[in-house]
Amino acid sequence: QKEVEQNSGPLSVPEGAIASLNCTYSDRVSQSFFWYRQYSGKSPELIMSIYSNGDKEDGRFTAQLNKASQYVSLLIRDSQPSDSATYLCAVNGAGGSYIPTFGRGTSLIVHP
Amino acid sequence: NAGVTQTPKFQVLKTGQSMTLQCAQDMNHNSMYWYRQDPGMGLRLIYYSASEGTTDKGEVPNGYNVSRLNKREFSLRLESAAPSQTSVYFCASTRYSTNNEKLFFGSGTQLSVL
Repeated sequence: QKEVEQNSGPLSVPEGAIASLNCTYSDRVSQSFFWYRQYSGKSPELIMSIYSNGDKEDGRFTAQLNKASQYVSLLIRDSQPSDSATYLCAVNGAGGSYIPTFGRGTSLIVHP
Repeated sequence: NAGVTQTPKFQVLKTGQSMTLQCAQDMNHNSMYWYRQDPGMGLRLIYYSASEGTTDKGEVPNGYNVSRLNKREFSLRLESAAPSQTSVYFCASTRYSTNNEKLFFGSGTQLSVL
């Protein structure tokens, strides 16, 4: 069973704070990990991908991967109200399949 | 570039009616996918096509059929719509059917079955 788990939230943070979003996955052979952002009523868009253990930074976003513990996280520094959205974790390679498995998403609210 | 184009954006059906959701991509991608998204359920794969001429079932294929018409187009058909098929449907594509590929999504179709 391929499972990707996320806390549904909502996660509420003040503007300027660090938002930390977490995702765990069940299949140890998973290869690739993605974070998609989805605004209300819109389609998902990729914001980060990570393939090896450690941190990957892109602007205000940092993805962290720990394959031994089977979790991947997304940190958003200096959070802005425009970051308010649902963040979907996706995992590829679980069960030997390239098809991504999605978590249910975490709703983030950044309040002024 | 338009990317992934889905039509229609909204549709209301009565139980038992049929309809086809259209999807086309102009990025020369090989693989295409249909997902449904329900509140609190994330994205669930209905069908996918790794390449032109092939289609496979995903997690929730019952009640749906697909056609990969050519490399650009991948349609989803509901033969006899049921209220349980009320959902938001997303078409997506990737360049290849490999692990490191990111999904490009269409804008979605909001479907209500009464």
